[in-house]
Amino acid sequence: DGGITQSPKYLFRKEGQNVTLSCEQNLNHDAMYWYRQDPGQGLRLIYYSQIVNDFQKGDIAEGYSVSREKKESFPLTVTSAQKNPTAFYLCASRQGAGANVLTFGAGSRLTVL
Amino acid sequence: GQNIDQPTEMTATEGAIVQINCTYQTSGFNGLFWYQQHAGEAPTFLSYNVLDGLEEKGRFSSFLSRSKGYSYLLLKELQMKDSASYLCAAVNNAGNMLTFGGGTRLMVKP
Repeated sequence: DGGITQSPKYLFRKEGQNVTLSCEQNLNHDAMYWYRQDPGQGLRLIYYSQIVNDFQKGDIAEGYSVSREKKESFPLTVTSAQKNPTAFYLCASRQGAGANVLTFGAGSRLTVL
Repeated sequence: GQNIDQPTEMTATEGAIVQINCTYQTSGFNGLFWYQQHAGEAPTFLSYNVLDGLEEKGRFSSFLSRSKGYSYLLLKELQMKDSASYLCAAVNNAGNMLTFGGGTRLMVKP
């Protein structure tokens, strides 16, 4: 079945450590997105990529980095520069142009100890 | 800029009808999505409106008024499993960016 796989589902890190969240999709979608969700709040866009080897900052990109070396993969690194990284991170993808539906992965919950 | 507003919480009774409102102010607009999200899970697609009017899908309906910058999601014959957060999201002109509201947490009581 086609879908988006995020890993790990739960992650704990110490302050000062970088962590990388994986996002893989087999939907052959062109565009991929990373959102952050804090308790009781909506989704805020971190980064997005519309084609391989290209990505743009979203509303809250500071302290995060991404890469898009393959169409299927869009990993997110949470760096030590991110001051409040504890959150639920959602990866999503969308096919081509137009207002097509975003498909989401199951999410990764990051907790900084 | 983009500004999406929806109520933070709502409570309704099993079997009843509830309407969740969403207002938006955007610099470009190409439609509005509604998603359902159960706690700790991924959002799932409910509806998409690009033209004015009502779209009906079983127990769920969604309405859009572009002139008023207003949408609502109508849930009929509420079931306990409908307890979830409901997110509205406006699409930009290019269709490649969604801006989400803060979500409405709906609690369905017996």
